[in-house]
Amino acid sequence: SAVISQKPSRDICQRGTSLTIQCQVDSQVTMMFWYRQQPGQSLTLIATANQGSEATYESGFVIDKFPISRPNLTFSTLTVSNMSPEDSSIYLCSAVTGGNQPQHFGDGTRLSIL
Amino acid sequence: AQRVTQPEKLLSVFKGAPVELKCNYSYSGSPELFWYVQYSRQRLQLLLRHISRESIKGFTADLNKGETSFHLKKPFAQEEDSAMYYCALGLQGGSEKLVFGKGTKLTVNP
Repeated sequence: SAVISQKPSRDICQRGTSLTIQCQVDSQVTMMFWYRQQPGQSLTLIATANQGSEATYESGFVIDKFPISRPNLTFSTLTVSNMSPEDSSIYLCSAVTGGNQPQHFGDGTRLSIL
Repeated sequence: AQRVTQPEKLLSVFKGAPVELKCNYSYSGSPELFWYVQYSRQRLQLLLRHISRESIKGFTADLNKGETSFHLKKPFAQEEDSAMYYCALGLQGGSEKLVFGKGTKLTVNP
């Protein structure tokens, strides 16, 4: 299975600032996804990162708040914009290597907003 | 609406005892079900998926479409099974979109 690396692993940010999280896969993958896991909650899909085009966002998530890039088949970024304490969560990247393969996850980025 | 329910937030058993982690789903399409596990300080990893019909680390799970369930079972729990377990529902006939349950924290006591 693909090895997925996320950076940073954690950060503490000030209210109103933005943070970009990077996701790097060690092999080409067909699909990449971003999830959020709020404290005590389950994982919620934010969006599908599409290579070379705009991401596909799930209900409740918008591009202005969570801009996503995927310039190639192995790399994606998620930006959390204009952060507020409610954005304190773990953000996870996942990828599918192809066909009917399952999703594999990165270690996540633990984000705290003061 | 699609939904995955894991009714037990916490589950505690003794080593050697059988364990069953419950998962029920709601989905009008053709479901694909997964169990993911997260051990302490490790990433979320796939434990098993229903189409594989495998037994991983002694765990099995059978998809029961009549009861819309995908319970995870192991006949003899081990201390190293202590972890957070998430049931997930794959939409659109595959694993492209996953809906996760809230998870069950399993503790296996010596």
